[in-house]
Amino acid sequence: DADVTQTPRNRITKTGKRIMLECSQTKGHDRMYWYRQDPGLGLRLIYYSFDVKDINKGEISDGYSVSRQAQAKFSLSLESAIPNQTALYFCATSDSGRTGGGEKLFFGSGTQLSVL
Amino acid sequence: AQKVTQAQTEISVVEKEDVTLDCVYETRDTTYYLFWYKQPPSGELVFLIRRNSFDEQNEISGRYSWNFQKSTSSFNFTITASQVVDSAVYFCAFGHYSSASKIIFGSGTRLSIRP
Repeated sequence: DADVTQTPRNRITKTGKRIMLECSQTKGHDRMYWYRQDPGLGLRLIYYSFDVKDINKGEISDGYSVSRQAQAKFSLSLESAIPNQTALYFCATSDSGRTGGGEKLFFGSGTQLSVL
Repeated sequence: AQKVTQAQTEISVVEKEDVTLDCVYETRDTTYYLFWYKQPPSGELVFLIRRNSFDEQNEISGRYSWNFQKSTSSFNFTITASQVVDSAVYFCAFGHYSSASKIIFGSGTRLSIRP
């Protein structure tokens, strides 16, 4: 089984719908992240969480919300989906045990979201 | 603000050729990390290498090598004797020394290796 699991793998939804993308991990890492990938733009950070009680906005958080239900679970919600949120979404984890930053990220397989 | 530039959007070479992927970064930090990640056609990103700004030694791992030059703010990645399995999108990334929350990715280079 994958260490970082994202569900669903693919999702098609309509404008205005609320949807949730889920991420769970078995790596025991305390830090979790949501990125989105758009062609030609690389990966951009949406939200990140350093522990269950710590949630932070990334560079493109507008239109998104997150919930850290447990150390192993981090979900991303689109409150009212719009077409420009069509993208490939990645969940990632890292281990804060390493001091001084430079943490290696472990990624899930991604969720391809299409908003019509 | 930090910035990572991968000017090569797509590269296509014939198998067994050597290929270099360029990465240029901008920062005022004196200490930082640089990374390369690989995204094969399956989609999942895979970590390849991490280098901290204190260490400018080049690194070689099999057919892969990395050339870090602080003077030119570059962290280039070379694949020697490329193989079809090297076909992927490769991302260069910059990380602040104190926090993994600020890892900034370049736009990626799509590498195609033709048989």
